[in-house]
Amino acid sequence: EAQVTQNPRYLITVTGKKLTVTCSQNMNHEYMSWYRQDPGLGLRQIYYSMNVEVTDKGDVPEGYKVSRKEKRNFPLILESPSPNQTSLYFCASSDLDTQYFGPGTRLTVL
Amino acid sequence: AQSVTQLDSHVSVSEGTPVLLRCNYSSSYSPSLFWYVQHPNKGLQLLLKYTSAATLVKGINGFEAEFKKSETSFHLTKPSAHMSDAAEYFCVVSLTSGTYKYIFGTGTRLKVLA
Repeated sequence: EAQVTQNPRYLITVTGKKLTVTCSQNMNHEYMSWYRQDPGLGLRQIYYSMNVEVTDKGDVPEGYKVSRKEKRNFPLILESPSPNQTSLYFCASSDLDTQYFGPGTRLTVL
Repeated sequence: AQSVTQLDSHVSVSEGTPVLLRCNYSSSYSPSLFWYVQHPNKGLQLLLKYTSAATLVKGINGFEAEFKKSETSFHLTKPSAHMSDAAEYFCVVSLTSGTYKYIFGTGTRLKVLA
């Protein structure tokens, strides 16, 4: 089954404790992206990647890092999480023009 | 610069009546436009997309949208609402030049009354 998976689905952590949210897709897509969703703001793009070793900033990259060492994986790294990064995070992969979203990761930073 | 404006944050309709969710966009290029739906505590599902082919686009679950360049609009419609349509709907614009940068609207929450 074609899908995008994210782990963990739920995470509660404390300020400053480094964390990684994994994202994997099995559709051989070159393009992948991370979004955060906050009430009243819709989804905002954090980072995107157009291929292995090619990443670029979206609209809200501050406080986040990404890497793309393999085509199927695109982890999101929070080196020093802060409470304002409490949000719902979505990973997506894309063919030419359609994005397929993962189920989301709900992150709470205390 | 690109932007997307969803004109209503909340829409309520009665079951069996038409649905209209409004979306205006701004783009310097010929855009690709999408509507996604998000049911409570679920991920996002593609409803339909416009990518410079037919201006009237049909999607899943009876939804359709019409691309109107002169009005810079891409409104989502459905002739008859069903209770299962209650969800949040997002209008999305992207460049067709291959930058893979997507801009989401802030969403419209659709409530369907019995």
